[in-house]
Amino acid sequence: RKEVEQDPGPFNVPEGATVAFNCTYSNSASQSFFWYRQDCRKEPKLLMSVYSSGNEDGRFTAQLNRASQYISLLIRDSKLSDSATYLCVVRHNQGGKLIFGQGTELSVKP
Amino acid sequence: GAVVSQHPSWVICKSGTSVKIECRSLDFQATTMFWYRQFPKQSLMLMATSNEGSKATYEQGVEKDKFLINHASLTLSTLTVTSAHPEDSSFYICRVLQGEGYGYTFGSGTRLTVV
Repeated sequence: RKEVEQDPGPFNVPEGATVAFNCTYSNSASQSFFWYRQDCRKEPKLLMSVYSSGNEDGRFTAQLNRASQYISLLIRDSKLSDSATYLCVVRHNQGGKLIFGQGTELSVKP
Repeated sequence: GAVVSQHPSWVICKSGTSVKIECRSLDFQATTMFWYRQFPKQSLMLMATSNEGSKATYEQGVEKDKFLINHASLTLSTLTVTSAHPEDSSFYICRVLQGEGYGYTFGSGTRLTVV
């Protein structure tokens, strides 16, 4: 079983739709959580960190449930430019290596 | 902000040759660099952790004699894919840790195709 697992995707949605990505992690020692965005043939870029209290950045909302070892990302009013692969990432300790999920591909259509 | 330069961005080589990929931190000293590999439609998989002045730590299943990592200075780490084969074709990317309290920065990645 992979340490970080995400929805298989791809998600094909119309512009303006709300889309939710789910992620689970198996190592309860994981301390930090992130969502990254990766465009085709490019390096991943940090979208947002995920905090236990939940956090929002514009149209993006991230949630963390430590008890269930579950992370989510909600994108509201999706734009064409949101089309990318979204990576769920966990880190075990400060300065430690990042463990990436396999990514969920999102395609937003006009 | 911190800038990490990775070179080359893409390379095509013949089977059996070796390819060197460079990862440079341009405006800060990087004590730790990570090397990842990503096959199409798959996640980034950590290959090794490189610390300046010491031997790299390889992840399980990664051949250290095939993927040579050198981190001889605080601004440069290199990954050499030796005797490359078509199955080594992948996206290789470095990630740099500037230091505790600072963020992580990815290089732009190197797409290797072995023919």
